[in-house]
Amino acid sequence: NAGVTQTPKFRVLKTGQSMTLLCAQDMNHEYMYWYRQDPGMGLRLIHYSVGEGTTAKGEVPDGYNVSRLKKQNFLLGLESAAPSQTSVYFCASRGGVYEQFFGPGTRLTVL
Amino acid sequence: EDQVTQSPEALRLQEGESSSLNCSYTVSGLRGLFWYRQDPGKGPEFLFTLYSAGEEKEKERLKATLTKKESFLHITAPKPEDSATYLCAVQAMGDMRFGAGTRLTVKP
Repeated sequence: NAGVTQTPKFRVLKTGQSMTLLCAQDMNHEYMYWYRQDPGMGLRLIHYSVGEGTTAKGEVPDGYNVSRLKKQNFLLGLESAAPSQTSVYFCASRGGVYEQFFGPGTRLTVL
Repeated sequence: EDQVTQSPEALRLQEGESSSLNCSYTVSGLRGLFWYRQDPGKGPEFLFTLYSAGEEKEKERLKATLTKKESFLHITAPKPEDSATYLCAVQAMGDMRFGAGTRLTVKP
C-alpha cells in the first residue's frame, strides 16, 4: 500500500515552460487536493476534486489547471511557468472522513 | 474568513523539557481540527483529529486538546526524534485551512 505518491520529486523549469505534476493514490479515496507550501505560510489549496471527472478551484488557482480522468490520479498542470510558482507542491487525498493524507511533495524551481 | 494562527513560530527545548504548542482559530461551523507532523523534505503526516471542545487525544508523548477558540499540542518529556514542524488545520464549511506551523527542535 503506497498511499499517495507524487512524480517528479524535483524539477527546474525556465519561465514560460510547461509541465505536469502527477499524483496517484491507492486508497480508493474520492477526494483529492493540490496544495502549495511556501516559507512562512501555511499550505494553500490550489485545486481539488470531489470525484472522478470533477475539479474545483481552491484559494490560489491562477496559473494552474487540473484534471481527474481516473479516480486514482490527479494531475496539476502549469501552462506557462512563472518564478512566483517556485514552491513545494503537495498532493493529498481523503475518503469519507475529513483527515487528508499527503504525498511526499514535488519541489519546483522556476528560473 | 477562516483563520488559523500558530504560536510560537519556533520552539527549542531540551530533551525532557515539556511544553505546549498553540493553535488559535476563527471559523464558522468547525467540523474538525487537525494536527500534522512534517519532517524536513517530507509531506505532512496525520496525527490527530479533534471534533468538539473538551475533546482530547493522545499518542505517545503528544496530547492534543481543543477549546472553542484554540487547540494545544502538549509534548511531555520530548526526545530529539520529536523535532519537526507541527501543523494545525481546521475544517469548517469551506476548504481546510492550515496554520504556518511551529518548528520544534529538541536538543539532547
